[in-house]
Amino acid sequence: DTGVSQDPRHKITKRGQNVTFRCDPISEHNRLYWYRQTLGQGPEFLTYFQNEAQLEKSRLLSDRFSAERPKGSFSTLEIQRTEQGDSAMYLCAGVRTSGYNEQFFGPGTRLTVL
Amino acid sequence: SQQGEEDPQALSIQEGENATMNCSYKTSINNLQWYRQNSGRGLVHLILIRSNEREKHSGRLRVTLDTSKKSSSLLITASRAADTASYFCAGTGTASKLTFGTGTRLQVTL
Repeated sequence: DTGVSQDPRHKITKRGQNVTFRCDPISEHNRLYWYRQTLGQGPEFLTYFQNEAQLEKSRLLSDRFSAERPKGSFSTLEIQRTEQGDSAMYLCAGVRTSGYNEQFFGPGTRLTVL
Repeated sequence: SQQGEEDPQALSIQEGENATMNCSYKTSINNLQWYRQNSGRGLVHLILIRSNEREKHSGRLRVTLDTSKKSSSLLITASRAADTASYFCAGTGTASKLTFGTGTRLQVTL
């Protein structure tokens, strides 16, 4: 158990709906990362936070995606006007700044867009 | 897009045998990490090797790194059925994000 939790674990939605996912790292995780993983592929980087500051965003993160980490604790990832191509596993990972960037992943949220 | 590739894409062995997976990457790295992922679950960190290290051991795991060839290998000795999973390598460059390969699916049969 990495101590990182994600909610919900599964989400089924209809195309065009908005969805929001939540990630709760442990308190020592200064950095928090979001990745997206499609079937048969490795995870792809979306964005990351150092405390509450969002420091980098991937080109994969279109303007329909927004992420926040208020107060530098939990984080949310929102997808607006979902498309079938958004169907994937969304993973978050926490990192202690003092380490070598070992990332501790949550169980993921599997999104299915119908 | 993926920056690395694992080889083979799939590997099937019997319990007790050794499993070797290879990883190649494209850009310079500060360290390389290996992760395991059971079907439909999150990733579990296995081992990290820094760019100035050539070999590292952790339990039944042995990792090598050849920065001149931009490649790494993961050896799992005396495999068990519970080792059945997908294995990913991931490099960390100047940015701290991980760049994952496409993974090796390992099947260990009794």
